[in-house]
Amino acid sequence: DAKTTQPPSMDCAEGRAANLPCNHSTISGNEYVYWYRQIHSQGPQYIIHGLKNNETNEMASLIITEDRKSSTLILPHATLRDTAVYYCIVRGYRGTGNQFYFGTGTSLTVIP
Amino acid sequence: NAGVTQTPKFQVLKTGQSMTLQCAQDMNHEYMSWYRQDPGMGLRLIHYSVGAGITDQGEVPNGYNVSRSTTEDFPLRLLSAAPSQTSVYFCASSQPTGPSGNTIYFGEGSWLTVV
Repeated sequence: DAKTTQPPSMDCAEGRAANLPCNHSTISGNEYVYWYRQIHSQGPQYIIHGLKNNETNEMASLIITEDRKSSTLILPHATLRDTAVYYCIVRGYRGTGNQFYFGTGTSLTVIP
Repeated sequence: NAGVTQTPKFQVLKTGQSMTLQCAQDMNHEYMSWYRQDPGMGLRLIHYSVGAGITDQGEVPNGYNVSRSTTEDFPLRLLSAAPSQTSVYFCASSQPTGPSGNTIYFGEGSWLTVV
């Protein structure tokens, strides 16, 4: 699986958009980009994933660059409850095994 | 729908003791995994299973055993606990949905302290 690089921490004002970057320069053609978050040592929570097109769901948007070497998770209107550690993971489909390798993530603090 | 259930939530062990962390899922998922998370660190994969009767090692398997006799259950055994195994343990499951991606569901964690 490709490695990912994320900034260790970020702040965001409440109500503003939070843009969390992720570099995955060694990603291969069949590898997906996943985002999870972990709130205060709870089990990680799925946010969104994508292959090459931008994706949006009720929680967030995922923007993947054309060369797929980086992506950005966007929380459009951050709230205090979005304070968490956000993990960017690149995972390939192999048909066997289902293992996500987590890095240290980005600790996002939403400031009132 | 309970999802992924882990027990116990908290446990204190003495060095050298053995114990089993239980994990059960009610979503009929084929894939199950165990991760550990040390303070300030990301999750690290211990063992995983792609189906009943099939298990394999992850990044940090030493000191842990697993088995998968049923689709629902994936227990993690510590044979002789060491202080280095003090950590939070997460069990996870997912269904192999193919090239479109496969979302993992996590349990709420088991806090283990070895003294």
